[in-house]
Amino acid sequence: DAKTTQPNSMESNEEEPVHLPCNHSTISGTDYIHWYRQLPSQGPEYVIHGLTSNVNNRMASLAIAEDRKSSTLILHRATLRDAAVYYCILRERISGTYKYIFGTGTRLKVLA
Amino acid sequence: GAVVSQHPSRVICKSGTSVKIECRSLDFQATTMFWYRQFPKKSLMLMATSNEGSKATYEQGVEKDKFLINHASLTLSTLTVTSAHPEDSSFYICSAPRPGGPDTQYFGPGTRLTVL
Repeated sequence: DAKTTQPNSMESNEEEPVHLPCNHSTISGTDYIHWYRQLPSQGPEYVIHGLTSNVNNRMASLAIAEDRKSSTLILHRATLRDAAVYYCILRERISGTYKYIFGTGTRLKVLA
Repeated sequence: GAVVSQHPSRVICKSGTSVKIECRSLDFQATTMFWYRQFPKKSLMLMATSNEGSKATYEQGVEKDKFLINHASLTLSTLTVTSAHPEDSSFYICSAPRPGGPDTQYFGPGTRLTVL
């Protein structure tokens, strides 16, 4: 079962920041928090990942709660091209292999 | 550029036929690859783990005789949907771990299978 919970959908206006929340209350001490996004009819695309400290890259920022039970993906200025389904993922160790188990994700709609 | 490719990008076949989908890692080797299935408006569902040089491991509820996986080389995994039926119509996606970790994945662009 997916170890993360996210809102099903969110809306944002273009050029405004977007905060996408994720709850992962069962996270273990060694689990990285991964974020991917999927544009229509494409495979998922890596966005960002982190362990404990907040992370920034050219696409987004990741804010991780101190207890690591939740995180927030921050898109600083949403564009129409950011409209996608955003997945927050914790890997699971199954039969000796680390695997991604996808949750429902958040469908982000960006309004012009 | 893409680091994991899939071929074909879309395929239409008749019910009862078999369809092969290829997943290739470009410029890196992958001893493990993963296959997912995605129905419209739904999330990705992990089907199986493809292991180079050994048998694939399938997730619960996935028929291994229906979805044959062969990891022929360090850069190629194939998924064959045998005796396809309309309910097998879906978006099939593969992924491979990024070399050097920590455990991020490269995903392929997906293959749209339509079974008539």
